[in-house]
Amino acid sequence: SQQGEEDPQALSIQEGENATMNCSYKTSINNLQWYRQNSGRGLVHLILIRSNEREKHSGRLRVTLDTSKKSSSLLITASRAADTASYFCATAIFSGYSTLTFGKGTMLLVSP
Amino acid sequence: EAQVTQNPRYLITVTGKKLTVTCSQNMNHEYMSWYRQDPGLGLRQIYYSMNVEVTDKGDVPEGYKVSRKEKRNFPLILESPSPNQTSLYFCASSLAGPPFQGEQYFGPGTRLTVT
Repeated sequence: SQQGEEDPQALSIQEGENATMNCSYKTSINNLQWYRQNSGRGLVHLILIRSNEREKHSGRLRVTLDTSKKSSSLLITASRAADTASYFCATAIFSGYSTLTFGKGTMLLVSP
Repeated sequence: EAQVTQNPRYLITVTGKKLTVTCSQNMNHEYMSWYRQDPGLGLRQIYYSMNVEVTDKGDVPEGYKVSRKEKRNFPLILESPSPNQTSLYFCASSLAGPPFQGEQYFGPGTRLTVT
């Protein structure tokens, strides 16, 4: 079953603009992770935010987590053409069921 | 260089012909898993392994087998491939399993076509 759902499905912006992607989930989580995937390649980990954290930064990335709304957002500031990729959120559920569940992703296109 | 490797990267095969996709990691990770990625469905976990000789089913295990005889290797076996197993497959590993306090490292992917 799908735990995380990203929104929007696709986003097209110009270089220099900010890109915001959202992730909603259904059940309580231990942590939430964001990954990037360039076309047809393996996923690359971007950032992890724990359930007791509200905001985290890494370079041009800012992630927020609102556990009351069961949602997270990924903000990429001053985007570059090289940021063009698909972005996935993944939720880690602290239970006996052992899985890290990925959403379907947001496809980001950054035009020069 | 820390990495997860998969072989082959591309494979075209026929229905019913057994195949194995290998996965190896050089980071001494305990946790390894296999995913398949299909358009519109995202990544779905096939099998995972918490450590040597410990494997369990993920969300879509039907038609697949795995083994974990050594810590570094986690092959995916399709005993009798069918066209609905045409997909992009990823192997991943992490230092520890649930609740995944750390990142997962992904292999480059294996694109499988079953005709």
